[in-house]
Amino acid sequence: SQKIEQNSEALNIQEGKTATLTCNYTNYSPAYLQWYRQDPGRGPVFLLLIRKNEKEKRKERLKVTFDTTLKQSLFHITASQPADSATYLCATQGGKLIFGQGTELSVKP
Amino acid sequence: DTAVSQTPKYLVTQMGNDKSIKCEQNLGHDTMYWYKQDSKKFLKIMFSYNNKELIINETVPNRFSPKSPDKAHLNLHINSLELGDSAVYFCASSQVLGGAKNIQYFGAGTRLSVL
Repeated sequence: SQKIEQNSEALNIQEGKTATLTCNYTNYSPAYLQWYRQDPGRGPVFLLLIRKNEKEKRKERLKVTFDTTLKQSLFHITASQPADSATYLCATQGGKLIFGQGTELSVKP
Repeated sequence: DTAVSQTPKYLVTQMGNDKSIKCEQNLGHDTMYWYKQDSKKFLKIMFSYNNKELIINETVPNRFSPKSPDKAHLNLHINSLELGDSAVYFCASSQVLGGAKNIQYFGAGTRLSVL
């Protein structure tokens, strides 16, 4: 069955550094991957969608890559800020979304 | 204006009770969903409705019954609540089901605690 995995360990980084989060998928060849941000006590908020024929997608300080050979998507936040602290979820795209378990990012001042 | 709103935000109840959660979206979307997020933050789809028609019905106990009176509303009724039902339930909507426009807009969630 389709499986999507994120690093369940929290990622702690210093303000100003680049945060890199990983999303791996198996038993599936998604046409798209989505990334969401979830703050405590709130619902996930859509950030970026990348298609399989796109190597990279950018939005302000965010960058997403999609490597169909490695079956992996990387999510980068450059010049990270404490306000970027949240849980980030990736999701495969299809008739229904399957979410990864999320990676909690903590950016320290 | 909140795009996807669900009520109540918190629900504390006893085992065996019946409860409902309501959801409304003002985005004009055709598709609505119910997700369950457990204590490990794992977000899993339960149901999906497209134009009031049930499309996705995951392996969910039949104590859970969704109802969509119209495209803008999707309610979730839970009978005979059990301890394991304690979780955060999210309503979401998307423009269409599947494809690049399947971007989900989530409500703030309903935290259900069954005692």
